[in-house]
Amino acid sequence: DIQMTQSPSSLSASVGDRVTITCRASQGISNYLAWFQQKPGKAPKSLIYAASSLQSGVPSQFSGSGSGTDFTLTISSLQPEDFATYYCQQYSSYPYTFGQGTKLEIK
Amino acid sequence: QVQLVQSGAEMQKPGSSVRVSCKASGGTFNSYGINWVRQAPGQGLEWMGGIIPIFGRGDYAQKFQGRVTITADESTSTAYMELSSLRSEDTAVYYCARGYSFDYWGQGTLVTVSS
Repeated sequence: DIQMTQSPSSLSASVGDRVTITCRASQGISNYLAWFQQKPGKAPKSLIYAASSLQSGVPSQFSGSGSGTDFTLTISSLQPEDFATYYCQQYSSYPYTFGQGTKLEIK
Repeated sequence: QVQLVQSGAEMQKPGSSVRVSCKASGGTFNSYGINWVRQAPGQGLEWMGGIIPIFGRGDYAQKFQGRVTITADESTSTAYMELSSLRSEDTAVYYCARGYSFDYWGQGTLVTVSS
């Protein structure tokens, strides 16, 4: 199975900050990488697919990059509604696997 | 507007089975896959398996092989996930999600396993 490792596991930041979350795959996955946002008690929401493609309706402050084994999610200017848990996921091969999550909290 | 609507919360006893449904609307059901993901209380996301309705065959994570069956009814645009031999560790919220990029998600179904 492909292991997905996110860092950091938690992060404190302020409104307006630029934040970056990284995700590393245990083997190359090309660009078969997605990012999700989850708020407490809610279903995950798709933000990015194919490593850097923004899902329809997702604000442009979110961006993704990377290929192969190393990926990043960047939020250019944090808004109050962005405080949540973020997950990366590979869909290069079965079983699809998720990172352990990064909890983004208000400083 | 694509929507995935799941069946309601379930409470089951250890050793029994549960079937959760996921009805799709607003999109082309047959050509997209439907995946099933679960989340235990306070934990992360775990992919269980998925199905592409036009192919009809489910693919499963090794962890759940032999206990999970995923099916799809094209006539009603509904996917099903059945998990058998339930144990307390299967207590979780179960989600369906569409396609390889998981672009749309159901609202989640809480399954509680308790004697």
